[in-house]
Amino acid sequence: SQQGEEDPQALSIQEGENATMNCSYKTSINNLQWYRQNSGRGLVHLILIRSNEREKHSGRLRVTLDTSKKSSSLLITASRAADTASYFCAPRGGYNKLIFGAGTRLAVHP
Amino acid sequence: DVKVTQSSRYLVKRTGEKVFLECVQDMDHENMFWYRQDPGLGLRLIYFSYDVKMKEKGDIPEGYSVSREKKERFSLILESASTNQTSMYLCASRGRLNNQPQHFGDGTRLSIL
Repeated sequence: SQQGEEDPQALSIQEGENATMNCSYKTSINNLQWYRQNSGRGLVHLILIRSNEREKHSGRLRVTLDTSKKSSSLLITASRAADTASYFCAPRGGYNKLIFGAGTRLAVHP
Repeated sequence: DVKVTQSSRYLVKRTGEKVFLECVQDMDHENMFWYRQDPGLGLRLIYFSYDVKMKEKGDIPEGYSVSREKKERFSLILESASTNQTSMYLCASRGRLNNQPQHFGDGTRLSIL
């Protein structure tokens, strides 16, 4: 299955702390995408990392990819209450569809 | 910015009714998708379409059909609604290339009574 599995299922931190979420997958990929979902809303694309990249940054987000371990991590630095959301990884193989896992629910407390 | 618009945020229907969920995108995207999202199960793909009048089954197509008569519009149809189809339904669109992101609507929370 191309589905990504996020870990942990839930994460609770204080504002200002860093949040790390992990994703594992089973087959080879072309790229891996991370999305965020605020409560009751649709998903928003955060970042895409290609299979030949090891690390990518976007603002306070840092994504790493280890294709030998079939894993990725999303780090949010200096978290804010507004970062409270669910986060999903979506590994992409050679076909048209993305398969999303159950996500990590992040709660950032003021 | 890409805008994906779903016709209703909340919808309540009765068992056995035929239900239409509409989705419109404004970026001339070739690909459109319908997902349902249930607690603990994540997003599951129902159907997708890569062009007008073209459709492909996703992982859970049973009890659903779709229609794509125009490029910007992708409709999900519940032929005879059942209570186990109570869920959050999310529509997404994407350009032609697989390395482009998907853009999602805000979802329709559908309750079948």
